[in-house]
Amino acid sequence: GAVVSQHPSRVICKSGTSVKIECRSLDFQATTMFWYRQFPKQSLMLMATSNEGSKATYEQGVEKDKFLINHASLTLSTLTVTSAHPEDSSFYICSARDRRNRDQPQHFGDGTRLSIL
Amino acid sequence: AQSVTQPDIHITVSEGASLELRCNYSYGATPYLFWYVQSPGQGLQLLLKYFSGDTLVQGIKGFEAEFKRSQSSFNLRKPSVHWRDAAEYFCAVGAGGSQGNLIFGKGTKLSVKP
Repeated sequence: GAVVSQHPSRVICKSGTSVKIECRSLDFQATTMFWYRQFPKQSLMLMATSNEGSKATYEQGVEKDKFLINHASLTLSTLTVTSAHPEDSSFYICSARDRRNRDQPQHFGDGTRLSIL
Repeated sequence: AQSVTQPDIHITVSEGASLELRCNYSYGATPYLFWYVQSPGQGLQLLLKYFSGDTLVQGIKGFEAEFKRSQSSFNLRKPSVHWRDAAEYFCAVGAGGSQGNLIFGKGTKLSVKP
């Protein structure tokens, strides 16, 4: 089945550091990837929709300059949290859509636990 | 606006008992509905989906869900719960058809008593 690999699974870093999270579709091409954020004991909130070769579409309230998204190829999207602060600590999950398979619109990665000290 | 409501934040059932997790949605057109399960610290696994056709859909791990348009509901059921089923369950509606982004409910945490 379709697999989405998200890396790293966990990162701990100091305040002010920029952190890059990768989302890869391993056996399919993903024209669209989605980035979600999940606070403890809460639901997933869509942050942005990433389309290959074009700018990402951000949800209202999400800072574009804070959360940089790049989708340079059909199998890779990256989320960079710039100058991270403790309030950015969260669980980030990506998902990818296989354009050939309408039966399962999104395949999810295992998430990245980001902790900013 | 599209929305998903999961009325139960936390449910505890005994192992072997039946389970029903509630989900209500608000959507202007024919919805695409999903149930996902999330184990602690992990991503989401699709349990089942409804796009069209038979309103009773079968999923993995013995789960099923029934789409009831008149009640705007898509409740998840399992006849006999196993301790391994303890997890967080999310109902979601596809905002842009089967190809669009998902809107999630707040989730229901399932605990299973031995």
